[in-house]
Amino acid sequence: GAVVSQHPSWVICKSGTSVKIECRSLDFQATTMFWYRQFPKQSLMLMATSNEGSKATYEQGVEKDKFLINHASLTLSTLTVTSAHPEDSSFYICSAKRETGTYEQYFGPGTRLTVT
Amino acid sequence: AQSVTQLDSHVSVSEGTPVLLRCNYSSSYSPSLFWYVQHPNKGLQLLLKYTSAATLVKGINGFEAEFKKSETSFHLTKPSAHMSDAAEYFCVVSDRGFQKLVFGTGTRLLVSP
Repeated sequence: GAVVSQHPSWVICKSGTSVKIECRSLDFQATTMFWYRQFPKQSLMLMATSNEGSKATYEQGVEKDKFLINHASLTLSTLTVTSAHPEDSSFYICSAKRETGTYEQYFGPGTRLTVT
Repeated sequence: AQSVTQLDSHVSVSEGTPVLLRCNYSSSYSPSLFWYVQHPNKGLQLLLKYTSAATLVKGINGFEAEFKKSETSFHLTKPSAHMSDAAEYFCVVSDRGFQKLVFGTGTRLLVSP
């Protein structure tokens, strides 16, 4: 149990376009979902935290208008990279928690975004 | 602010030999610490956790870690490496509400036959 999927697994887009990444909890309802960014050979950096039906909380330095997060249901969160630029190329990973106050986050396999 | 430092970016071992991945933490309060493993094309998987109970924590796949407050360390060990252990390992510290995870820079474990 506790499987999180992401779609697509990789995407290439042109500079200036927008791209949407989906994160789904397949066998549980997620009270909270998280979005991370991982640069090559580097660590994961938390971008934002989202609760179903609420606005996302962004980490310092993350542009809200560029990285739009929608947590529409207890099993789905989306990250939209708007007006993408080559520097947005990265590995984006989502995670989900069953309940508030519990420790374990279940991670998706990640989405590789390349902006040309 | 909380942080973790993974002391080695790469560790190479031979199959059947012990594994030691080092992690030091910094926290203004008693931390919650985790080790996650990342295999290519797979989501990060929780290996083990320390949340102020027993200082020696046993995890999955034969891994264990010891919380040492005096040394601010949380090193990951395994008595005998398998080829399938080759992956990226992250030491992670959590805030009090288990909401925000702060990741170390990762250690790539290479296992040779």
